[in-house]
Amino acid sequence: QKEVEQDPGPLSVPEGAIVSLNCTYSNSAFQYFMWYRQYSRKGPELLMYTYSSGNKEDGRFTAQVDKSSKYISLFIRDSQPSDSATYLCAFDTGTASKLTFGTGTRLQVTL
Amino acid sequence: DVKVTQSSRYLVKRTGEKVFLECVQDMDHENMFWYRQDPGLGLRLIYFSYDVKMKEKGDIPEGYSVSREKKERFSLILESASTNQTSMYLCASSPTVGSHNQPQHFGDGTRLSIL
Repeated sequence: QKEVEQDPGPLSVPEGAIVSLNCTYSNSAFQYFMWYRQYSRKGPELLMYTYSSGNKEDGRFTAQVDKSSKYISLFIRDSQPSDSATYLCAFDTGTASKLTFGTGTRLQVTL
Repeated sequence: DVKVTQSSRYLVKRTGEKVFLECVQDMDHENMFWYRQDPGLGLRLIYFSYDVKMKEKGDIPEGYSVSREKKERFSLILESASTNQTSMYLCASSPTVGSHNQPQHFGDGTRLSIL
């Protein structure tokens, strides 16, 4: 079993839709949870960073963590064509220097 | 804003060449990382460094070495390039606050082709 599972997509939605992106994980030691956005031919950009179960909101983005189910989600409200990118989930135990990444979900928001 | 700069966006080299990829960060971060990113495999950690002249192997160090002579600069070296090292290479840096490393910030990558 992979340590992190993330559906690669592509996920295609119309402009204005609510998008739900998800990752499941198996390592109970993960304490910090991140979402990165990566545009084509660019490096990943940190979107959301959280360390507890529950929701964290930043503008149109909401990160949700459910540690009991080992499941994290990123919701995008009122999606825009500029949200078209690959979204990577990432995990940190807090005791090691390295992150564990999902393989990314490619999102396409159409006009 | 954190700035992580990779010296080349695109690079073409031949098999057997020694290849240097350079990365510089401007935020005085303690930690620096080298990843490669391949379709379907995601980001895989090659090496990282948490201090000057310190280095740690990541998940796929074979065929690579690194150098960190100054805090702001972290170099990845392909000792003898092979075609299976054709990939996107990403550098990242992060600060340490207390005992915990903060999230990593990435450069825009170097797309390396080995012919």
